[in-house]
This record gives sequence, structure tokens and C-alpha cells, in this order.
Amino acid sequence: EIVLTQSPGTLSLSPGERATLSCRASQSVSSSYLTWYQQKPGQAPRLLIYGASSRATGIPDRFSGSGSGTDFTLTISRLEPEDFAVYYCQQYGSSPFTFGPGTKVDIK
Amino acid sequence: EVQLVQSGAEVKKPGESLRISCKGSGYSFTNYWISWVRQMPGKGLEWMGRIDPIDSYINYSPSFQGHVTISADNSISTAYLQWSSLKASDTVMYYCARTPKSGIPRYFDYWGQGTLVTVSS
Repeated sequence: EIVLTQSPGTLSLSPGERATLSCRASQSVSSSYLTWYQQKPGQAPRLLIYGASSRATGIPDRFSGSGSGTDFTLTISRLEPEDFAVYYCQQYGSSPFTFGPGTKVDIK
Repeated sequence: EVQLVQSGAEVKKPGESLRISCKGSGYSFTNYWISWVRQMPGKGLEWMGRIDPIDSYINYSPSFQGHVTISADNSISTAYLQWSSLKASDTVMYYCARTPKSGIPRYFDYWGQGTLVTVSS
């Protein structure tokens, strides 16, 4: 089973600041199968980034993804109030299709 | 409009059986896998398994194999998650999500709204 580790667990930032979230895999994951989701309280997760770096439909360009192999990064260039949420990475390359534990981005 | 609509919240007693559903609309149901994802209160997401509606081939996570049953009826574009004997630890939010079968990359592009299952004596 591929274990995904996300860091930090919580990121406390102010609106307008840059957020950098990390996702590390216990073994190599093809970029095609690395995905990021956003989840707000009381809501289902929402697709954010797929294929490690492609934005899903309707996702603003302040969100970007990068990385390969075992290290992946989600960057939010300038935080907007609606971006404060929990972010999960997930790999769909090897069953079971595991999620990371999440990074909570909260308001400083 | 693509939608995955899940059945409503359930309150059950330990030992009871339960089946929850996820109905797809606005797309060709058989062109997408349906997965079930568990989220314990205040915790992260866990993939439980997925089904190919066209032939009902199922892929379970080892953590859930034998504890739940996934099925689908593509004549009514609905996938199911069922338990034969619930435990208190099954008190969790469950989501369904779809993945396009064709092409790469792979991801969950649409999610249901979630079904909260509460198991309590």
C-alpha cells in the first residue's frame, strides 16, 4: 500500500499570503495518478488538481500543482478567504487508492 | 448536469443491516467507476472500494474487504454500499465518487453529497 504523508498538518496564514503544501509518497507515484482535493466543513471533497499539475474545471489559476516521483506540491499563490479549508492528496495508481491525512489551511 | 445523489442519513442499531445508495444522473453511468470513500468524524478520507457498473467488477481495499459489499444496478444508474451487521465503529460519513474509465489521468471528478450513518444502541 502506498502511504501518503502531508505536511504541515496545519498551515496558519493570512489572506493574500502564499501557501505551499507538501505530499510525499512512500513509493513512486506516476504524475498521472496524483490528485489534490479541497474540502470545506460540511461539504464533500472537490477536485482541485489532477495529473499532479492540471487544474480541474473552474479552479482559479492561483492554485497550481507540481512534482513527480515521491514528492508533490500544491501551491496557492495568494490566499483568498474561500481557500481556507482542508487539502488532501490522493494516489490513484496502485490499489488501494490512498489519501494523505490532509493539511488544514486556516486563518492566522 | 452531472450529479451523484446519495440516500439520506440513517440511524441504526448494532447488528442491523443497511444498504445506502448513490444515483448518478446527467452522464453515462457505465462509463465511470463508482468508488465509496469513508470519512470518520473530524478525520481524513479512506477509499473503501470501487465498482465497474458495466460488469460489476469490484476492487476492495483490504481494510474493508469482507466488512462491506459494493454493488450496482446500471439499469437505474445506482451504486450501493451495504453492511450485513453494523458496528458502532461504522458511525461515519460515506461518500460516493466517480472516476472516468477511459484515459489517464485518474481521479474522482464528481462526488455525492455524503450519507451519514449512525450506529447506536
